[in-house]
Amino acid sequence: EVQLVESGGGLVQPGKSLRLSCAASGFTFDDYAMHWVRQVPGKGLEWVSGISWNGYTTAYVDSVKGRFTISRDNAKNSLFLQMNSLRPGDSAFYYCAKTVGTGQDWYFDLWGRGTLVTVSS
Amino acid sequence: QSVLTQPPSVSATPGQRVTISCSGSSSNIEINYVSWYRQLPGTAPKLLIYDSNKRPSGIPDRFSGSQSGTSATLGITGLQTGDEADYYCGTWDNSLSAYVFGAGTKVTVL
Repeated sequence: EVQLVESGGGLVQPGKSLRLSCAASGFTFDDYAMHWVRQVPGKGLEWVSGISWNGYTTAYVDSVKGRFTISRDNAKNSLFLQMNSLRPGDSAFYYCAKTVGTGQDWYFDLWGRGTLVTVSS
Repeated sequence: QSVLTQPPSVSATPGQRVTISCSGSSSNIEINYVSWYRQLPGTAPKLLIYDSNKRPSGIPDRFSGSQSGTSATLGITGLQTGDEADYYCGTWDNSLSAYVFGAGTKVTVL
């Protein structure tokens, strides 16, 4: 079955760290760029970060630059998001998403169910 | 404030047609393809339209997309109660070097 399964969310204090994981199955993982998108419950979608198929190119939304690091392990079909110096504003559902496309014309064709991150003291 | 502007809500009765607009700028919609996503309550988003007007396998032709200048539109014909959801447009923004989404439009079937 083609799917993405996120894990690693939970309750964490401000300033602490958390590492999210995404396990991919059912497709050739290292053929595709992968991304993280987050959503505050009841609010809209926000793209967080993306990584190329080989891991050489990464991108981040300004609000997480210098705090979050995206990475992947193609041998284990896994995507990661290391989140440091967490803030209450980082609280959200975090979705792992697979992308298809070329250049700047790409789209999210497969989404995981999400994992909830809550940053609170 | 989202980079892409969508109406907060649209509504119609079953069987009718609705359209959802997505307004952007010269750094996003004018030069990059728009995709549309549907999010049913309590579930993850799902791809509806990509490359402005293409439908993935399994998406019925009741859903259509178009794009011109700095705007894009999602159309839904033959509205069904199961279409009640939040709909988001998205595209890459060259100025921000980031993927941007609209704030979402809630479709209500009356």
